[in-house]
Amino acid sequence: AQTVTQSQPEMSVQEAETVTLSCTYDTSESDYYLFWYKQPPSRQMILVIRQEAYKQQNATENRFSVNFQKAAKSFSLKISDSQLGDAAMYFCAYRAQETSGSRLTFGEGTQLTVNP
Amino acid sequence: DVKVTQSSRYLVKRTGEKVFLECVQDMDHENMFWYRQDPGLGLRLIYFSYDVKMKEKGDIPEGYSVSREKKERFSLILESASTNQTSMYLCASSRAGALGQPQHFGDGTRLSIL
Repeated sequence: AQTVTQSQPEMSVQEAETVTLSCTYDTSESDYYLFWYKQPPSRQMILVIRQEAYKQQNATENRFSVNFQKAAKSFSLKISDSQLGDAAMYFCAYRAQETSGSRLTFGEGTQLTVNP
Repeated sequence: DVKVTQSSRYLVKRTGEKVFLECVQDMDHENMFWYRQDPGLGLRLIYFSYDVKMKEKGDIPEGYSVSREKKERFSLILESASTNQTSMYLCASSRAGALGQPQHFGDGTRLSIL
């Protein structure tokens, strides 16, 4: 069974600094996607960034980028120039082949605090 | 923008009650999902549906059932609520097809069973 592990229950960062959130996963599949979702306090969960396993180039979305290490099964999220609005719970998630019903497997989450 | 609407943000029910949580999406998505979110456990899949009247068990289906009579609506049912079902419940939907399709989430229902 696929598992996703986020080993950092809580992280904090100073405004304008850079922070990296860790995620590891276990799979025997070769074709899969990895996602980072953000859940602000009392607000809707939204997609931050996604990475296809076959793509070697790391995905980037403005201040958000990933470090995808396929052999190590590692998928970390880097937030540059952190802003107060980045404070949220962040979830790493994994999805394999369509036969699994498009289901996502989530990690435990990392609570990010941004200090002014 | 995709809109996933959950019928209640907060709900308080009593042990033994039958509880209905409703979810509606407006983007004609084939797939719909129900998760529960608990501190330190992340999101765990309860049930999902990939078509009308179709349902599949997720990782923690015990004590729950679902109904999908129309494509846009996916209901989660607690047949006889128990205190260990106190949790945040999240509904999501996604388009069928490519693996990269994101799931879109509702605001969540915080359910308390007394």
